[in-house]
Amino acid sequence: GQNIDQPTEMTATEGAIVQINCTYQTSGFNGLFWYQQHAGEAPTFLSYNVLDGLEEKGRFSSFLSRSKGYSYLLLKELQMKDSASYLCAVTPYGYKLSFGAGTTVTVRA
Amino acid sequence: NAGVMQNPRHLVRRRGQEARLRCSPVKGHSHVYWYRQLPEEGLKFMVYLQKENIIDESGMPKERFSAEFPKEGPSILRIQQVVRGDSAAYFCASSPAAGQNEQFFGPGTRLTVL
Repeated sequence: GQNIDQPTEMTATEGAIVQINCTYQTSGFNGLFWYQQHAGEAPTFLSYNVLDGLEEKGRFSSFLSRSKGYSYLLLKELQMKDSASYLCAVTPYGYKLSFGAGTTVTVRA
Repeated sequence: NAGVMQNPRHLVRRRGQEARLRCSPVKGHSHVYWYRQLPEEGLKFMVYLQKENIIDESGMPKERFSAEFPKEGPSILRIQQVVRGDSAAYFCASSPAAGQNEQFFGPGTRLTVL
């Protein structure tokens, strides 16, 4: 089976940094995705990690440690529009995404 | 350059009726995935289809649910004799191939069963 854990909620101030952790235990591993989902909208792709290390893309960075079954998404210079749910998903064998329950991030002025 | 299209966006059905959810993938994508999102829960995989073929339906309930992706036209998720527990958001995603490719999600269909 698949088990993917991430915190339920996080709150941060505009301009700050927030780190969303994700731990996983899966029967296989073929990559880890982070998606952003605003309320009532489609999940949109943020990042994909398959090798250990940090991937940076503008204000967002994602880190993966396969040996620890651990990833984090780092959001820098937070903006109000970053208030959303952030979904960690693992693909055990190439197509089926197993999602965590999502972390709701609230950015306050 | 349209993304994944889903319709209807909102669907209300009474218990016992049928629900048909449609998904048009990104142009050129031949792989379609359906996920269900219950309130306060993460997205759960239901079924993976390529054109005219069901590849993996391990996440789909054995009864009342079916999916197809015909050679022409959109993918259809069909729920027969709906019950209140079927109320959820149903998301469709597509990709050009299986594997590490990003899955592009549609806006979802929110099904409410009265």
